[in-house]
Amino acid sequence: DAGVTQSPTHLIKTRGQQVTLRCSPISGHKSVSWYQQVLGQGPQFIFQYYEKEERGRGNFPDRFSARQFPNYSSELNVNALLLGDSALYLCASSPSARETQYFGPGTRLLVL
Amino acid sequence: DQQVKQNSPSLSVQEGRISILNCDYTNSMFDYFLWYKKYPAEGPTFLISISSIKDKNEDGRFTVFLNKSAKHLSLHIVPSQPGDSAVYFCAASSVRGFGNEKLTFGTGTRLTIIP
Repeated sequence: DAGVTQSPTHLIKTRGQQVTLRCSPISGHKSVSWYQQVLGQGPQFIFQYYEKEERGRGNFPDRFSARQFPNYSSELNVNALLLGDSALYLCASSPSARETQYFGPGTRLLVL
Repeated sequence: DQQVKQNSPSLSVQEGRISILNCDYTNSMFDYFLWYKKYPAEGPTFLISISSIKDKNEDGRFTVFLNKSAKHLSLHIVPSQPGDSAVYFCAASSVRGFGNEKLTFGTGTRLTIIP
């Protein structure tokens, strides 16, 4: 079975631009979570979605938004990019909102 | 405010010996703990977890110990193999409290197994 997939794998943007990252969960998983990992740190929770509804939000500004589609895939949008948004963005899926999360390979975003 | 701490950034262990990775937490609401392994250019891979109602969980070469009174958990890998060389993250969640599976991660420990 395919694991969590994310696209694109790498992305370069300039300050002020907007970016959309995509995630497809493991088949049968209804919950998707997004994390940001900056160099030298552990992943930081951004959002969790379950059955297309937001179940949790981390301490990130409103420039960050996400949604989940009827097929349970998800998009993370970041507006007005800052240099500090450069990071590895990880998507994780789980069968329900309370079960073990399985991570995708991540999208590496570089903001210049 | 670092609620999950891994105080050893790196650890080197001889192949065949025991690797012990440590993790401390401060939030008493945490009731579920996980260990993930991460290779470069890959996402974290789930290894093993433990609920706060237990003090030990074993899965093959991996054992996690939880000491709730000390707010401390450890991951033991026996015997250590070269393929175990990776960054290990400790993570915690509050299934009771937060109502979701928000994971709070430590900063990771880089384990190097010396052949």
